[in-house]
Amino acid sequence: EVQLVESGGGEVRPGGSLRLSCAASGFIFDNYAMSWVRQVPGQGLEWVSGLNWNGGSTTYADSVKGRFIISRDNAKNSLYLQMNSLRAEDTALYYCARGGPWAPLYHDYWGQGTLVTVSS
Amino acid sequence: QSALTQPASVSGSLGQSITISCTGTSSDVGAYKYVSWYQLHPGKAPKLLIYDVSNRPSGVSDRFSGSKSANTASLTISGLQAEDEADYHCSSYTSSATLVFGGGTKLTVL
Repeated sequence: EVQLVESGGGEVRPGGSLRLSCAASGFIFDNYAMSWVRQVPGQGLEWVSGLNWNGGSTTYADSVKGRFIISRDNAKNSLYLQMNSLRAEDTALYYCARGGPWAPLYHDYWGQGTLVTVSS
Repeated sequence: QSALTQPASVSGSLGQSITISCTGTSSDVGAYKYVSWYQLHPGKAPKLLIYDVSNRPSGVSDRFSGSKSANTASLTISGLQAEDEADYHCSSYTSSATLVFGGGTKLTVL
């Protein structure tokens, strides 16, 4: 059974940092691209960042470019999101999602999400 | 990258069919066959319904179908059931090598 379990969310002050983690199981992790997607409660989904199977190709939404860093450790079946210079508008539920074999063009499995709150 | 445009809400009666539109530009929906659709129920993880415009993952009911014409993609749900009441979001690959989602559509089953 495919499972994605996010952790690392919490409350942080503006300008602060957080590192999200996603533990994957039930599939061959390094066969798939991965993404982080966020959702402000009551609003739409927003794609944040994605990377290919080995992390050699990474992409970011304009809203987080230069502040967030996506990475993966295939030996640990884990995906990460380092979030720096956090802003109030980064407050959201952050999902880890499995992409396709070549690129994160769609996402067939999602975690339950981890909540990030940026507030003074 | 601007969000794709979806109607805020649609409704339909049990057993009827409805269609949700997802309008983008020639840099996203119109340029690629990489449009996907997701179903969101409150408190649950998103569920992939359609990928690559019209493909259904294994296990997804054939009552769900997708299509695309120019810059607009569409999700059609036939034979509406009570459990179809949920939020639906579209997504497209873009010319910037990123993904963009729509604002989401709330489906009410009457």
